[in-house]
Amino acid sequence: GENVEQHPSTLSVQEGDSAVIKCTYSDSASNYFPWYKQELGKGPQLIIDIRSNVGEKKDQRIAVTLNKTAKHFSLHITETQPEDSAVYFCAASMNYGGSQGNLIFGKGTKLSVKP
Amino acid sequence: KAGVTQTPRYLIKTRGQQVTLSCSPISGHRSVSWYQQTPGQGLQFLFEYFSETQRNKGNFPGRFSGRQFSNSRSEMNVSTLELGDSALYLCASSLGVIRVEETQYFGPGTRLLVL
Repeated sequence: GENVEQHPSTLSVQEGDSAVIKCTYSDSASNYFPWYKQELGKGPQLIIDIRSNVGEKKDQRIAVTLNKTAKHFSLHITETQPEDSAVYFCAASMNYGGSQGNLIFGKGTKLSVKP
Repeated sequence: KAGVTQTPRYLIKTRGQQVTLSCSPISGHRSVSWYQQTPGQGLQFLFEYFSETQRNKGNFPGRFSGRQFSNSRSEMNVSTLELGDSALYLCASSLGVIRVEETQYFGPGTRLLVL
């Protein structure tokens, strides 16, 4: 089955710096890659996602890139702010026919942004 | 539009008991998925329901079961609780309309502690 690896497990940056989190997946049939942010005591919140037919997607300070050949995708956060501090999860799923595939999650990256 | 709601938010049970958790999806969403989150195993898929039918199932024992009602609300049940069932149980909803990709939106979770 699908396996998603996420690195690093912890990341500490200074406010204003950029943060990059990388994930690799094992099943080339995966075609949907969302990123979630989870704050303490809350459920995961979708921050950005990318489909397999797109190589890059941006939303203000957040961008995601996908390399299907290498089977890896990355989250880029620019101009980090203290409120970006949280645990970030990448996920992969494959959807086929009409059936929604389940999300396979990475282990998470704890991002700390120091003022 | 209201988000995904889960009740109760916190629950304490003892080994051998059973528990029922409830999830109300976003209005108009017909698919509900359940995930278990633990520090050791991370986020793991339990099952997905669509139109009152289980459409997808993860690798969990039969003690974990679920159902979905005609109004798309879902419940999951865990029987004969074990200490290892202590976790945050997350519900996610999506439109469920047959298409290639589906975005899942998570609720705040139910934190279950088994003593």
